[in-house]
Amino acid sequence: GAVVSQHPSRVICKSGTSVKIECRSLDFQATTMFWYRQFPKKSLMLMATSNEGSKATYEQGVEKDKFLINHASLTLSTLTVTSAHPEDSSFYICSASGGGPNSYEQYFGPGTRLTVT
Amino acid sequence: KQEVTQIPAALSVPEGENLVLNCSFTDSAIYNLQWFRQDPGKGLTSLLLIQSSQREQTSGRLNASLDKSSGRSTLYIAASQPGDSATYLCAVKNTGNQFYFGTGTSLTVIP
Repeated sequence: GAVVSQHPSRVICKSGTSVKIECRSLDFQATTMFWYRQFPKKSLMLMATSNEGSKATYEQGVEKDKFLINHASLTLSTLTVTSAHPEDSSFYICSASGGGPNSYEQYFGPGTRLTVT
Repeated sequence: KQEVTQIPAALSVPEGENLVLNCSFTDSAIYNLQWFRQDPGKGLTSLLLIQSSQREQTSGRLNASLDKSSGRSTLYIAASQPGDSATYLCAVKNTGNQFYFGTGTSLTVIP
């Protein structure tokens, strides 16, 4: 089956610093990657959709200058939280679609827990 | 905008019971619907995916149905086990490749 990894799984950073989260499709080429944010005991909120080689499409209310998304290759997308603040602390999950056993299916990464102190 | 709702928000059952989780969505123009399982602090595990042209999918003790016209899906879990305890999320995918997630049902199966 299709596997998506995220790195790091957990990160703690100080307020004002930037942190980068990687999302990789390990055994297929992902033409589209998605970034979600999940608050405690809440469902997933789509932040942005990125297609390889083009700019990400952000959902309403998501600051594109704060959450920088790069999808430079068919197997890697990165989310950079710039000038992080405690309210950015959350669980970030990526997903990928486009080339797995079922190209219409999304495959999810294990998530990254970000804590901003 | 698509809105996905899951009922109940939480469910606690004794081991061995059969149970049904409900998912409803407001826009019936979907591409597919997927049920996921999420364990605490973990990512999502795909359970079943139903294409818009399909009525149901089965995998082991799980059966998911889809009634697109009424905007509803159910996940049936037979003979529940403590290991089934988790949060179950349904998500609908529209033709624009976006996923809209439901609010989730937190399931506890009591030994």
